[in-house]
Amino acid sequence: LAKTTQPISMDSYEGQEVNITCSHNNIATNDYITWYQQFPSQGPRFIIQGYKTKVTNEVASLFIPADRKSSTLSLPRVSLSDTAVYYCLVVSQAGTALIFGKGTTLSVSS
Amino acid sequence: DAGITQSPRYKITETGRQVTLMCHQTWSHSYMFWYRQDLGHGLRLIYYSAAADITDKGEVPDGYVVSRSKTENFPLTLESATRSQTSVYFCASSDPGTLHVDEQFFGPGTRLTVL
Repeated sequence: LAKTTQPISMDSYEGQEVNITCSHNNIATNDYITWYQQFPSQGPRFIIQGYKTKVTNEVASLFIPADRKSSTLSLPRVSLSDTAVYYCLVVSQAGTALIFGKGTTLSVSS
Repeated sequence: DAGITQSPRYKITETGRQVTLMCHQTWSHSYMFWYRQDLGHGLRLIYYSAAADITDKGEVPDGYVVSRSKTENFPLTLESATRSQTSVYFCASSDPGTLHVDEQFFGPGTRLTVL
C-alpha cells in the first residue's frame, strides 16, 4: 500500500475551514483514500473515503485531483470538538491492515 | 450492547504474568484486528483474523497469541507480559459487505500497564 505523508500538526480557530493535505505519490489503480479521526482515549473513527474528484458527507469533504497523488480533507466551520488526530490512509480491499502514520493533530481554539 | 466492545478497559499487571484482552462484536463481521498504539508509533497491527479459526500475524506479533473460535470474539493473550507491552490496545472489525472499502470499526481500547 502507498505510503502517505501529512502535516504533523495544524492549529485553527472555531468557525474556520480547515484543509489537511495528504500526499500518496505511489497510489495504485485500485487504491482508495480514506480518512480516520481519533479523539483522545478513543479508537479511530472512519470519516470519509474517496477514489477520485470530490466526496462530501455530513462531516467533511474530500478532494482528490486527477492524478490522485494527493488528497485534501476539508472540515467546514470547525468547532472545539473537532480537536483530534486525523489520519490519511490508502486502502485497496477488505481485510487488510490499515497503515496508520502519525496523523495530523488538529487543535481548534476559541 | 451493539457494536464492538473491549474488556477490561484498564488493566495493570506485573512482568511475567499472562493477560488476556477480550474483544466482542455484534455485527458478525468476518474480519477482526488487534492494534497497539504507542506514542511515536501510531497504531500497529498485532494480529488479524479473516474468519473463525483463521488468524494471521501483523507487524508486531511477538509475545502475543490470538484465537478465534467464534466469529464474534477475538481475544488477545500476552503469554508473559513485559514492560514493552505497556500500551493501548484497540480491537477492530470489518466486513467486505460494508459500504466503504475496508472500513474498520474500532473498539474503545484497553489501556494496559505492565509493571
